[in-house]
Amino acid sequence: DVKVTQSSRYLVKRTGEKVFLECVQDMDHENMFWYRQDPGLGLRLIYFSYDVKMKEKGDIPEGYSVSREKKERFSLILESASTNQTSMYLCATWTRNSGELFFGEGSRLTVL
Amino acid sequence: KNEVEQSPQNLTAQEGEFITINCSYSVGISALHWLQQHPGGGIVSLFMLSSGKKKHGRLIATINIQEKHSSLHITASHPRDSAVYICAVRSGGSNYKLTFGKGTLLTVNP
Repeated sequence: DVKVTQSSRYLVKRTGEKVFLECVQDMDHENMFWYRQDPGLGLRLIYFSYDVKMKEKGDIPEGYSVSREKKERFSLILESASTNQTSMYLCATWTRNSGELFFGEGSRLTVL
Repeated sequence: KNEVEQSPQNLTAQEGEFITINCSYSVGISALHWLQQHPGGGIVSLFMLSSGKKKHGRLIATINIQEKHSSLHITASHPRDSAVYICAVRSGGSNYKLTFGKGTLLTVNP
């Protein structure tokens, strides 16, 4: 079974703190994605990566950065958390071979 | 940009009923995904379609490329089918980016 593991299910942080969200996959998929999910807005793409050290901005990259030093790990970084970044964050992987999508369980971040 | 519209937004059914959720999109696609999200849970991929029809247990997904429309059917619905169902499309010109519908909240009462 493909496993996409997100490091934390629930986090509470203070405004201005640096936040790391980690995602690890065990299927050697080349493509990895970070989304945020908000009520009424659906899923929105923050960043994606199609290879190690390669990244591209999604639709809402402002206030976020990413790191992909190893194929299995894709990290989302909030340099200085703000209250409007309170959200559910979902990591996903996709392989061109099968076309299937796999999601992690999500990380619910609250910024106070 | 591809717009993805799902209907209905909310759906309440009695156990055993036949359910249909619809998804329409505006431009050509290379694939369409149906996803399921239980309350408080992660997202699970149910189907990926580029043409025709797929069936898995009580779930059936169809797509009409010419009409830019897909449907997800649930036969003999059960309370454990209660979840948000999300349609997502991969546009023909993009290998990576998906456009998501806002989801359909299905509640199946016993």
